[in-house]
Amino acid sequence: AQSVTQPDIHITVSEGASLELRCNYSYGATPYLFWYVQSPGQGLQLLLKYFSGDTLVQGIKGFEAEFKRSQSSFNLRKPSVHWSDAAEYFCAVILDSGYSTLTFGKGTMLLVSP
Amino acid sequence: EAQVTQNPRYLITVTGKKLTVTCSQNMNHEYMSWYRQDPGLGLRQIYYSMNVEVTDKGDVPEGYKVSRKEKRNFPLILESPSPNQTSLYFCASSLSAGGEQYFGPGTRLTVT
Repeated sequence: AQSVTQPDIHITVSEGASLELRCNYSYGATPYLFWYVQSPGQGLQLLLKYFSGDTLVQGIKGFEAEFKRSQSSFNLRKPSVHWSDAAEYFCAVILDSGYSTLTFGKGTMLLVSP
Repeated sequence: EAQVTQNPRYLITVTGKKLTVTCSQNMNHEYMSWYRQDPGLGLRQIYYSMNVEVTDKGDVPEGYKVSRKEKRNFPLILESPSPNQTSLYFCASSLSAGGEQYFGPGTRLTVT
């Protein structure tokens, strides 16, 4: 069965510092990959997605992610974090173009210090 | 405005009392899903639907039912709720297979 691992439960970053959130998936084929953000008390918002093509994808709010097939990873990055980025971030994968179970990682809580 | 709506947003109920959480989308999406979110577990898919009258189980379907009689609506039914179904529930819809999912605002359910 496919699985998604986000190894960091919490990460604290100083405002203005760079950020990298890790995501690894376990599956033989390349799935469709997503990053979602959930602000406190809110629903989930899509940051970016990877289906195919260029392995570096740009998203909203200045985020980007790089797909590395050899490492089965899809890490999320931002060069300079703002206090408003404090939220929980979820990596998710879906097996293929035929709709099947969307699998989420357990999330990484980002805390931003002044 | 394109959106997914859920009702109610908050619900406190007692064990065994049947309840329904409604979900509706106005984007003409074919695909709809229900998730539950629990601390430390992330989001887990309960059921999904690929089209009207087509539904299938996700990762944690036990204790839940769904129906898809109309394209826009996808209610979640708990026939006999139990305390372990206390959770935050999200409905989502997407236009195409594997496409971006649009999430509703969530329903916080407490079963005592």
